[in-house]
Amino acid sequence: QSALTQPASVSGSPGQSITISCTGTSSDVGSYNLVSWYQQHPGKAPKLMISEVNKRPSGISNRFSGSKSGNTASLTISGLQAEDEADYYCCSYAGSSTYVFGTGTEVTVL
Amino acid sequence: QVRLQESGPGLVKPSQTLSLTCSVSGGSITNGIYYWNWIRQPAGKGLEWIGRIYVRGTTNFNASLKSRVTISIDTSKNQFSLNLSSVTAADTAVYYCARQPISTTGPEFDYWGQGALVTVSS
Repeated sequence: QSALTQPASVSGSPGQSITISCTGTSSDVGSYNLVSWYQQHPGKAPKLMISEVNKRPSGISNRFSGSKSGNTASLTISGLQAEDEADYYCCSYAGSSTYVFGTGTEVTVL
Repeated sequence: QVRLQESGPGLVKPSQTLSLTCSVSGGSITNGIYYWNWIRQPAGKGLEWIGRIYVRGTTNFNASLKSRVTISIDTSKNQFSLNLSSVTAADTAVYYCARQPISTTGPEFDYWGQGALVTVSS
């Protein structure tokens, strides 16, 4: 199980939209619509933002959306706000009741 | 409101066993509708799923750690625990416990502990 590949950093200005990619293989991302995204502020525990590729848990802003094509999942943040500055991790089901996280992406709001 | 809290030694010597406990409050660990997970994060690095346990004792592990990991559950104390044997400096990390509804197969960790830093050093 190798970590899913994410860009190390993505940045955008307030109000803009950014997209974070998460590339896996046909054994994980490509085989299951079971990708979640987590937001992590410094020194804090991760917070679930998206589940099952594109579902938002209760209380999560609709500025966050998810999608998937082939072996790559994506998280889009629209109307970027200062509070969105954080690290973001994808996580996929990898079969046999196991999970694999992405390498993480640092989002900077310029 | 559900709350998870990790506890255990913050310093472990190389080759010894790392032991952490996650105490769950605000809900019963025995209600059978959640898996209970361990996830770790080395300083400045990404998250790594370690494994999980279900109230009936069923466990699943990350293949890369499976030979060294034990996860157990104590329903009388509403706690579950992690043991990681033969530790090295590479096991130094913040260790999180997290809850996962069984209603989905996906990685939906909806409640997390605050994390416990464990350093492996002599």
